[in-house]
Amino acid sequence: DAGITQSPRHKVTETGTPVTLRCHQTENHRYMYWYRQDPGHGLRLIHYSYGVKDTDKGEVSDGYSVSRSKTEDFLLTLESATSSQTSVYFCATKTTSGTYNEQFFGPGTRLTVL
Amino acid sequence: DQQVKQNSPSLSVQEGRISILNCDYTNSMFDYFLWYKKYPAEGPTFLISISSIKDKNEDGRFTVFLNKSAKHLSLHIVPSQPGDSAVYFCAASASGGSYIPTFGRGTSLIVHP
Repeated sequence: DAGITQSPRHKVTETGTPVTLRCHQTENHRYMYWYRQDPGHGLRLIHYSYGVKDTDKGEVSDGYSVSRSKTEDFLLTLESATSSQTSVYFCATKTTSGTYNEQFFGPGTRLTVL
Repeated sequence: DQQVKQNSPSLSVQEGRISILNCDYTNSMFDYFLWYKKYPAEGPTFLISISSIKDKNEDGRFTVFLNKSAKHLSLHIVPSQPGDSAVYFCAASASGGSYIPTFGRGTSLIVHP
């Protein structure tokens, strides 16, 4: 198993507050991703990174920002949390050795915005 | 507009029988397909994959079939076991891109003892 941890695992916050979720990997994988999972929507990509300081938007990036200053860490920030951002957030990584590779997912962070 | 569709939100099967989970895609550029399994309160884990140069890939009780002309793939689990009860996500990607797979919405499989 790829060593991927997410912190915190659970968080309850109030509308309007900033929130930062952390993903840490020990596999030296180049690609990192943030997804959110909501009932009826499956996994939706928020942002991804293809290297240190290289990031791009996914399909549901509004209200989120990311940073990757080291290979092993990928941070997701909700600048001003809203109730619509209540979700389960998953981080994933992927190596680029070879054309086709699967993603490895972290255990998830359950975020509740009141 | 969903490019990867899993039209059955849930599936219920008896232990020992076959489970068939379906996935349809619309983007003809997709050439690699993966299935992930997800238990409650855990992250998804990779299960099996298939590239477009094949029409079948088998791994133990799990077989994935790909019908390129119909843009359809299916995951067969034989025999189904209660421990297979989970949400299954289909994902598709196109080679030469930025390795961004597109996921379906998932199918919840329940295997009854």
